[in-house]
Amino acid sequence: DTAVSQTPKYLVTQMGNDKSIKCEQNLGHDTMYWYKQDSKKFLKIMFSYNNKELIINETVPNRFSPKSPDKAHLNLHINSLELGDSAVYFCASSRTSGGDGEQFFGPGTRLTVL
Amino acid sequence: SQKIEQNSEALNIQEGKTATLTCNYTNYSPAYLQWYRQDPGRGPVFLLLIRENEKEKRKERLKVTFDTTLKQSLFHITASQPADSATYLCALNDYKLSFGAGTTVTVRA
Repeated sequence: DTAVSQTPKYLVTQMGNDKSIKCEQNLGHDTMYWYKQDSKKFLKIMFSYNNKELIINETVPNRFSPKSPDKAHLNLHINSLELGDSAVYFCASSRTSGGDGEQFFGPGTRLTVL
Repeated sequence: SQKIEQNSEALNIQEGKTATLTCNYTNYSPAYLQWYRQDPGRGPVFLLLIRENEKEKRKERLKVTFDTTLKQSLFHITASQPADSATYLCALNDYKLSFGAGTTVTVRA
């Protein structure tokens, strides 16, 4: 039983393209997140949604647009991809939104922009 | 915002020994501090959460301490095994989780 799943696992694309990453959780959690892990392995939060509402937006370029159609899904759309967007993107979920509970991470999507 | 420092990028130890990892932070003490394990090519996995009023927490061979005076958490893996080889991340909460850069532990058989 996969708790947090992401598709695709790998994404290779050209600069300037638009791409989407999908995330689903079957844990019944109210809060979902997108994180970016760069080449130095530093994990940084990008967005957080609680019950389909955006609650954290960490100064991410507006080329990145998250969408939560329901509380089990959080997708990430990226417009006009740049070389610096190459990274691993992780989706996560938690029962609460205050950072006081464990977060469950997906397997990651490795994005490579050529 | 918090600056989080994990002691070293890499730690190599002999099987059976205790690995001790350090997480230091600079600003206010968080209400909660968490530790995660990350294997290559996979997402982080939660290990332990310790609250600011708890000095120590244990789970099997893992032990975490939290010293708000020193602004430091220590993470111990006792009787280490090659299967413990991974990157360990500490994370502090305010309104979000902020992660350290991680320490990669390699346990030699």
